[in-house]
Amino acid sequence: QVQLVQSGAEVKRPGASVKVSCKASGYTFTAYYIHWLREAPGQGLEWMGWINPTNGVTNFAPKFQGRVTMTRDTSISTAYIDLSRLRSDDTAVYYCARDWSLPITTFGVITPRRSNRFDPWGQGTLVTVSS
Amino acid sequence: VLTQSPGTLALSPGERATLSCRASQSVSSNSLAWYQQKPGQAPRLLIYGASSRATAIPDRFTGSGSGTDFTLTINRLEPEDFAVYYCQQYGSSPITFGQGTRLEIK
Repeated sequence: QVQLVQSGAEVKRPGASVKVSCKASGYTFTAYYIHWLREAPGQGLEWMGWINPTNGVTNFAPKFQGRVTMTRDTSISTAYIDLSRLRSDDTAVYYCARDWSLPITTFGVITPRRSNRFDPWGQGTLVTVSS
Repeated sequence: VLTQSPGTLALSPGERATLSCRASQSVSSNSLAWYQQKPGQAPRLLIYGASSRATAIPDRFTGSGSGTDFTLTINRLEPEDFAVYYCQQYGSSPITFGQGTRLEIK
């Protein structure tokens, strides 16, 4: 079955960086966009951006521009998010989620589509920023 | 901005729940989704396109609405339905969520 498994909890100092991984299984990794979202304590869900695993193209929410990097390693079906210059209000559970849209297959070439709907999600990674 | 109401809704199993999501401007192409999140779990997609149920979602979940006003109705509440529900608009960037409605057992 389709599964996204994220790396474990992290504790970081303000100003540091954190990198969270998201390993996909049960489907063709390059066929679906991966999104990253977060949920801060007592706050709602916040979309951070997406990566196209086929070509590595990314798009970020304006709030995170300049502080976030999203990458992928297709050889191990894993996506990564890197958030730099951490602040205390970056303390949150970070989620990866697969885009819901089915890919297009043309002459054997699979092209992912993006709907900006998210399912399934990873289990979440708690990142705590504290001095 | 998406505003969900009520913030908390207390009902009994078997009752009907009506959750509201209001957008500050019209949601493009009814690009509105609903998610369910249980404690300690990741969210799950329930409804997309304002009214289409996602795969394997029971028909007691119904989405409706258009423009700026959307509703999630849950008929005949089951014990497993008590959770937090979020609406999300995906018609314009950046993608945004409402603050959530907590559905709790009365």
